[in-house]
Amino acid sequence: GDSVTQTEGPVTVSESESLIINCTYSATSIAYPNLFWYVRYPGEGLQLLLKVITAGQKGSSRGFEATYNKETTSFHLQKASVQESDSAVYYCALGDGSSGSWQLIFGSGTQLTVMP
Amino acid sequence: GGIITQTPKFLIGQEGQKLTLKCQQNFNHDTMYWYRQDSGKGLRLIYYSITENDLQKGDLSEGYDASREKKSSFSLTVTSAQKNEMAVFLCASSIETFPNERLFFGHGTKLSVL
Repeated sequence: GDSVTQTEGPVTVSESESLIINCTYSATSIAYPNLFWYVRYPGEGLQLLLKVITAGQKGSSRGFEATYNKETTSFHLQKASVQESDSAVYYCALGDGSSGSWQLIFGSGTQLTVMP
Repeated sequence: GGIITQTPKFLIGQEGQKLTLKCQQNFNHDTMYWYRQDSGKGLRLIYYSITENDLQKGDLSEGYDASREKKSSFSLTVTSAQKNEMAVFLCASSIETFPNERLFFGHGTKLSVL
């Protein structure tokens, strides 16, 4: 079945440093799945950070960017300069239609801590 | 804006017990979902429902029942709790069940089985 693999946490960086959280996917049911990054901030529910539904395109939100690379089957999350408020758990996910109906397949999550 | 409310926030059960988790949404969304998350793992889909009284099994449906009697509510029942089981159950909703739709999540119910 389809799967998502992402950077194992926890990840700790200092404020204003750059960040990359790796995400690679395996999609056997569909050639070009839709790709998502979700985030859970402390004390909040999981929420969509960004999505890209077209291969080769880039999505961005809150200073984060991710590019849909179908050659390397990757969707890495990057930010040039992180802030303490970016501390959260980040989940990469893909839209899967292998069972005849759509669902999201999630990675295991990456805990990010940004030190002041 | 809307909100998804899951109750209870914490649930402690005994081995073999039937346990029910509840979820309410006021987005007026058609589709609702139940996911399970184990420590260090991704979310896995248990059940989803595309409309009132509809139920669709996810990859992890064995050992669970679900009920969607109203558009705004979706309940999940653990039919027989397993000893030492510990997981977080997340409820979500979306406007439709399309692959590019955005899911809105509740804060979760944390289950512990003694």
